[in-house]
Amino acid sequence: DAGVTQSPTHLIKTRGQQVTLRCSPKSGHDTVSWYQQALGQGPQFIFQYYEEEERQRGNFPDRFSGHQFPNYSSELNVNALLLGDSALYLCASSFRGSGVYGYTFGSGTRLTVV
Amino acid sequence: QKEVEQNSGPLSVPEGAIASLNCTYSDRGSQSFFWYRQYSGKSPELIMFIYSNGDKEDGRFTAQLNKASQYVSLLIRDSQPSDSATYLCAVNGAGNTDKLIFGTGTRLQVFP
Repeated sequence: DAGVTQSPTHLIKTRGQQVTLRCSPKSGHDTVSWYQQALGQGPQFIFQYYEEEERQRGNFPDRFSGHQFPNYSSELNVNALLLGDSALYLCASSFRGSGVYGYTFGSGTRLTVV
Repeated sequence: QKEVEQNSGPLSVPEGAIASLNCTYSDRGSQSFFWYRQYSGKSPELIMFIYSNGDKEDGRFTAQLNKASQYVSLLIRDSQPSDSATYLCAVNGAGNTDKLIFGTGTRLQVFP
């Protein structure tokens, strides 16, 4: 039973560029939530996707956008990268009915903006 | 005031001792409280959650919740060097089961 898969594991981008991160949820899960974890901080909720729509959004600017596909996989896009966007980006999948009680986190994508 | 506060540590305890990790939260409507363990560079792993006042035990771990004091703690008995990690406290708000608000985490070091 595959867990949550995130790609790539690491990447380095230049300030001002755009980046796309990907997440494949655990089998049987239909909801994907994205979190940003800056160094030395706890994860912060970015947004959540269910039924291909953004259902909730945290306090992040419009530069952060996402998408969910019919197979429940999801993408996180960040435009006009800033140095402060450097962080570990975590995807958590769950089954809608279980909410946060059913979260399974992926291993994350480490983004470095230079 | 941060929504979820933790002492960043590090908390250093000898092997075999009890490690006590503390967390306070600001939203009195918070319903459920979670403890995650995160090894350096890895993703968070759920240890346990609690939603009723009192204690909840799972193996060497005990979560304690006091809603009146807005306080939740995690006790780790018989601490092992493999318990050395950052422990994240998280809450989800009243009526909102779909996102977690995390504290900054407490780094625990268990020395032999």
